[in-house]
Formats: sequence, structure tokens, C-alpha cells
Amino acid sequence: EAGVTQFPSHSVIEKGQTVTLRCDPISGHDNLYWYRRVMGKEIKFLLHFVKESKQDESGMPNNRFLAERTGGTYSTLKVQPAELEDSGVYFCASSQGTTYQETQYFGPGTRLLVL
Amino acid sequence: RKEVEQDPGPFNVPEGATVAFNCTYSNSASQSFFWYRQDCRKEPKLLMSVYSSGNEDGRFTAQLNRASQYISLLIRDSKLSDSATYLCVVGTSYGKLTFGQGTILTVHP
Repeated sequence: EAGVTQFPSHSVIEKGQTVTLRCDPISGHDNLYWYRRVMGKEIKFLLHFVKESKQDESGMPNNRFLAERTGGTYSTLKVQPAELEDSGVYFCASSQGTTYQETQYFGPGTRLLVL
Repeated sequence: RKEVEQDPGPFNVPEGATVAFNCTYSNSASQSFFWYRQDCRKEPKLLMSVYSSGNEDGRFTAQLNRASQYISLLIRDSKLSDSATYLCVVGTSYGKLTFGQGTILTVHP
């Protein structure tokens, strides 16, 4: 069974540009999460989808970040316009259910560098 | 104060050693507790869930003390392949995970 996949694996852009990250969860997983790790800091939660609905977006840093999950399958995270502090590794995770013991499976991450 | 605090490490131990990692969390409403392992430039992978009764998986033993809001991980008979960053992770009832900064472990021959 395929795991969580993310695209691209790396992205280097200039400040002010737009970048769109994509996440394909494990097939059949209704729950999709975005997390981010900036240099020297811990991994932090950004938001949680249940199917196509945003369950919790309390971790989104500001309105330059827009996440979508049309159709409840893959998700995109757009950063527009990108700032230097947006650099980091963006992880996507998925799980089948939302019981608190449900395992979240992480994708390999997208490494974003904003110059 | 960070929501999840871990020993910063790094820990450098010889093969065969026993090593213990500690973690505290601040949100008393936390529902789930995990140790994840992250290899260099890879994604976090679940090592084990942690239960109040304590649980063991081979050479790995995890303990949870809800009263003290304290989580631990013990690795016995360390192997070279155990070298990684160990992440203490706490979850809410809806699945949101809060991560510690991680502890780097290096096992040397």
C-alpha cells in the first residue's frame, strides 16, 4: 500500500513568489494534517481536514497560507506571497479515524527555502 | 514555556548501553502520548504509543505518569541502528499532535 506522498520534495523560491505544496494521503484516510518544522524549532501543527472540511486550522500562521482539500482526497497548501520566515519542512500526515489513539502516517515532507 | 519539553541531548552512547529519555507536557487535557523516531532528513515515524500502565516493545519501554505529566522512553541494549532523533509527542482528542523538539541519539561502536 502506498504511503503518504508529497510534492515537490524541494522548492526554492524568492520572497514574494507563490508556492503550492501537494499532499496525497493514504487511500481511504479521511483525516489529513499539515505540520511544519522551521529551522531549530519543533514540528508544529498547521491544520486538520476531515474529508473536505477544515476541522481545525488554529495553527495556520497568517492569511498568506491557504489550504484546500477539494473532493476530500489530496490537499494543497498555498503560500502567497512567501516570506523568508516561511522556510522550513512542511509535513503532511493522514489517519483513518479521529480517535485519539489513531496513528498518523507522515509523508516525506517538502523542503521550502524562501530567498 | 513549550507545551512539550524534552531533554535536549545529544546523547552519545556505546553499543549495548541503556539510555533513557524524559519528556514533560503542560496540557493536562492531553489524551494520547507517543514516541516518534525521525531519521536524518526523513519523516517522523511512530515508534510506540504510551499508556498509563506502561508498555514494552522489545528493547523499548515507555512510561506515562499523568499526575506528573511526564513521559519516558527507555532503550536497552542500544544498536547502531537506534541512532536517530526521538520525538516526544502529545495528542488532543481530535488528533492534533504537539511535538517536543526532539532528542538526538548517536550510538557508536
